Amino acid sequence: DAGVTQSPTHLIKTRGQQVTLRCSPISGHKSVSWYQQVLGQGPQFIFQYYEKEERGRGNFPDRFSARQFPNYSSELNVNALLLGDSALYLCASSPRIEGETQYFGPGTRLLVL
Amino acid sequence: GNSVTQMEGPVTLSEEAFLTINCTYTATGYPSLFWYVQYPGEGLQLLLKATKADDKGSNKGFEATYRKETTSFHLEKGSVQVSDSAVYFCALSRIQGAQKLVFGQGTRLTINP
Repeated sequence: DAGVTQSPTHLIKTRGQQVTLRCSPISGHKSVSWYQQVLGQGPQFIFQYYEKEERGRGNFPDRFSARQFPNYSSELNVNALLLGDSALYLCASSPRIEGETQYFGPGTRLLVL
Repeated sequence: GNSVTQMEGPVTLSEEAFLTINCTYTATGYPSLFWYVQYPGEGLQLLLKATKADDKGSNKGFEATYRKETTSFHLEKGSVQVSDSAVYFCALSRIQGAQKLVFGQGTRLTINP
């Protein structure tokens, strides 16, 4: 089975622009989570979605939003990009919401100039 | 709140040396504990996990034991290889309406031949 896939792999934007990142979970997984990993640090939780509903949100501004589609894929949107948004954005999926291991995709590397 | 503290890096060892990477955590209740590994330019891969006290997770020669009394989950390997060079992240997971992973800052490991 294919693992978690993310697109695009790399992205360059300028300050003030908007970006959309995409994630397809492992087949059969209904939960998708997003993490931001700034260079040299551990990943930070942004959102979790389960059955198309937001189930958790980390300490990120309202410029960050996400949604989950009926096929359980997900998009992360970031508006009004700042230089500090430059990071590796990781998507993780799990079968359900409770007590499950999360499996990560390869990430999308975003550079904001 | 929940947090994870990892041994400061970077760590440099010779091939076949013994490895320990320390990890301690702060959490309410009984979290699940994980070690993830990140190879250069890639996303996170689950290395091992433990879901309750005294459980031992193991994979690819790596081991870690969930120690509730010392709130620790130290990673060990008896004989490291050059291919083990990567960044290692300790993480905990709590179910509080959302299943989010809380990561340590990561420990960069370099193995010299």
